[in-house]
Amino acid sequence: QQQVKQSPQSLIVQKGGISIINCAYENTAFDYFPWYQQFPGKGPALLIAIRPDVSEKKEGRFTISFNKSAKQFSLHIMDSQPGDSATYFCATGPFSGGYNKLIFGAGTRLAVHP
Amino acid sequence: GAVVSQHPSRVICKSGTSVKIECRSLDFQATTMFWYRQFPKKSLMLMATSNEGSKATYEQGVEKDKFLINHASLTLSTLTVTSAHPEDSSFYICSARDRNEQFFGPGTRLTVL
Repeated sequence: QQQVKQSPQSLIVQKGGISIINCAYENTAFDYFPWYQQFPGKGPALLIAIRPDVSEKKEGRFTISFNKSAKQFSLHIMDSQPGDSATYFCATGPFSGGYNKLIFGAGTRLAVHP
Repeated sequence: GAVVSQHPSRVICKSGTSVKIECRSLDFQATTMFWYRQFPKKSLMLMATSNEGSKATYEQGVEKDKFLINHASLTLSTLTVTSAHPEDSSFYICSARDRNEQFFGPGTRLTVL
């Protein structure tokens, strides 16, 4: 099965700092790259997503950077806050198509210290 | 974003009993829903793809007779864990597609005694 390699496994950031999580994918046919945020005991919530026609997408403090040639994409959390402490999953898959499945990374546990 | 609900949020049952988990898309119709299983501190493991009006597609290694899926309408999919055993204890999460994006339910914590 095609994999998505996510790093780091865990991350500690001070309040106000920048959190950076990276993912590398294999299948160049995939054209949808979402990030999900999950709090303990809750389901994942769609945070932000990007298509390969752009190299960067920003929504508030969250930015996705996409490098098609390197087959990598990353999530940047600016001005990180303790409330951002959660597990983040990258994913990829085909954007359209009735049964398209997402392939998830292993997750990154982010802790933002006050 | 689109809203997906799950019921129940928690269930405790005795070994050998069957448990049904419901997944509903509240403000959109979903021809395709997905069922995942998540172990503590692990990623999401896709179990099956639920298609309205047809049989579910199971991932390799997932017992279809153990995990029965019914997608009876465009807003409801159910997962039934049959003859549950302690090793089936886990966090089960469903998701539904709305306009090419996938939205997750809040999850169901199953504990089998």
